[in-house]
Amino acid sequence: QKEVEQNSGPLSVPEGAIASLNCTYSDRGSQSFFWYRQYSGKSPELIMSIYSNGDKEDGRFTAQLNKASQYVSLLIRDSQPSDSATYLCAVITNAGKSTFGDGTTLTVKP
Amino acid sequence: NAGVTQTPKFQVLKTGQSMTLQCAQDMNHNSMYWYRQDPGMGLRLIYYSASEGTTDKGEVPNGYNVSRLNKREFSLRLESAAPSQTSVYFCASTDRGLYNEQFFGPGTRLTVL
Repeated sequence: QKEVEQNSGPLSVPEGAIASLNCTYSDRGSQSFFWYRQYSGKSPELIMSIYSNGDKEDGRFTAQLNKASQYVSLLIRDSQPSDSATYLCAVITNAGKSTFGDGTTLTVKP
Repeated sequence: NAGVTQTPKFQVLKTGQSMTLQCAQDMNHNSMYWYRQDPGMGLRLIYYSASEGTTDKGEVPNGYNVSRLNKREFSLRLESAAPSQTSVYFCASTDRGLYNEQFFGPGTRLTVL
């Protein structure tokens, strides 16, 4: 079992729709959770960070964390073509080890 | 601030050659990382340095060595390059310890023939 698993893509949504990206992790002691966006040929950039159970909203983005279920998600509301990218889930364990999922590629169609 | 810088941007090596990838950050961050990213995959941690003077192995350290030269600089060395090391290499840094968001450099695209 991979330490961080993301829903397999690619994911395609129409412009204006909600895109839902999911991530599960295996280390129950994980402390920090991040979503990065990576455009083709570019480096990852931080979209959201979340450290405690519940929802965290930032503009059109909402991150949700459920430590009991070892699950973290990212919702993108009113999706725009500029949101088309690969989204990487990253988890940092209690020991400070950083692990990334393989990413989910999102395409937003005009 | 330039953030995290990496040199070179592109490199082609022959099997068995050696090279050093350079990374520097000007954000006064304590922790620095080296990752590799293969096509269609996420980032895999090679080595990290929690603070100046310390380095630790990540998920895929074999074939690599690192040096934390000072607080700003963290280099990655390939002693004898192999085709399996063809990848894009990213350096990252973070402040306030290991548990916070990382800031990435632009990457080095390495091809080993």
